[in-house]
Amino acid sequence: GAVVSQHPSWVICKSGTSVKIECRSLDFQATTMFWYRQFPKQSLMLMATSNEGSKATYEQGVEKDKFLINHASLTLSTLTVTSAHPEDSSFYICSATRENENIQYFGAGTRLSVL
Amino acid sequence: GEDVEQSLFLSVREGDSSVINCTYTDSSSTYLYWYKQEPGAGLQLLTYIFSNMDMKQDQRLTVLLNKKDKHLSLRIADTQTGDSAIYFCALKEDNRLAFGKGNQVVVIP
Repeated sequence: GAVVSQHPSWVICKSGTSVKIECRSLDFQATTMFWYRQFPKQSLMLMATSNEGSKATYEQGVEKDKFLINHASLTLSTLTVTSAHPEDSSFYICSATRENENIQYFGAGTRLSVL
Repeated sequence: GEDVEQSLFLSVREGDSSVINCTYTDSSSTYLYWYKQEPGAGLQLLTYIFSNMDMKQDQRLTVLLNKKDKHLSLRIADTQTGDSAIYFCALKEDNRLAFGKGNQVVVIP
């Protein structure tokens, strides 16, 4: 159990367009979901934390108008990269936690390439 | 915030044991984790240890926690080629995780 699905796995888009990434908990209800960004050969950088039905909490330096997070249900959170630019190219990974459990379960990640 | 340090690279022959180390600064973390990341993939939870434990063994994996030295290690017995990956240690800090930079393990057949 505790499977997190992330979609798409890879997306290529033109500069200026917006891209939406979905993160779903398939077999559990996720009380909290997290969005990370990972640069090549680097660790994970937490971008934001989201709870169902409330606004996401963004980390310092992360533009909330640039990276829109919606956590509409207990099984789905979305990250929209608005007006993407080449510097937004990166590997984005989501994770989810179950209530009363101290484990984050990770999705497989989405590679975003902005041309 | 938590500062988590890992060595960057380890090569090991197939069948040997691998030991990956991690040091941290904040001793208040209650849970400490080891995650595995294969190329182009997300993170897979391997094992975790609660801060009141010194050791945890799970099949080929052994986690050692030295709270005095703030040192966490992961030993992989009988390392296989499928163990080639990047290994991250992570510590629970409030409701978030503080990650190390990752240790790349290359298994030589």
